[in-house]
Amino acid sequence: EAEVAQSPRYKITEKSQAVAFWCDPISGHATLYWYRQILGQGPELLVQFQDESVVDDSQLPKDRFSAERLKGVDSTLKIQPAELGDSAMYLCASSLVAQGFGTQYFGPGTRLLVL
Amino acid sequence: KNEVEQSPQNLTAQEGEFITINCSYSVGISALHWLQQHPGGGIVSLFMLSSGKKKHGRLIATINIQEKHSSLHITASHPRDSAVYICAALYNQGGKLIFGQGTELSVKP
Repeated sequence: EAEVAQSPRYKITEKSQAVAFWCDPISGHATLYWYRQILGQGPELLVQFQDESVVDDSQLPKDRFSAERLKGVDSTLKIQPAELGDSAMYLCASSLVAQGFGTQYFGPGTRLLVL
Repeated sequence: KNEVEQSPQNLTAQEGEFITINCSYSVGISALHWLQQHPGGGIVSLFMLSSGKKKHGRLIATINIQEKHSSLHITASHPRDSAVYICAALYNQGGKLIFGQGTELSVKP
């Protein structure tokens, strides 16, 4: 069964360093989401792509976060510089159908710890 | 105030018990998702519904649009059902999923 791949699974970094996360969605899924989940809370959307275009990045802290999906397939989320409050699980999901109507398939997540 | 509220936040049950998790939302939605998150972090989509009821195995999800409320029921609960259950509402405005804070379920043998 096709899965969403994410790497790395775990990342420990120091404050002010740069970190990058990678996501490869299920083949054929045009919609890709990056979520941040703080411990004990539900996921929060950071950015949504439709193919290579950003559909929603209203909750992305653009002073330090950036996301791209250059060829409309895999995607990279970057944080520079990382802050203590960025410690969280970063989840990638993909969907065949846009706008939240379709089932979203989640990757295993990247757990980030900023020291 | 979170636009999607779940209750209870934590739930401990004995194996075999019938379990209900509740989700309420504030304004009009197009659809509501129920998701399951295991301790390792992986999330699996259980249901997406916009009206009525859906059933899959021992899981049943219902939604009452007028009351802005949805429930997830687990019949004959089992320790392997232990996980965090999250509801997420697709709001008409913006088309974005808003997630509840999750309900942590522990089923004891």
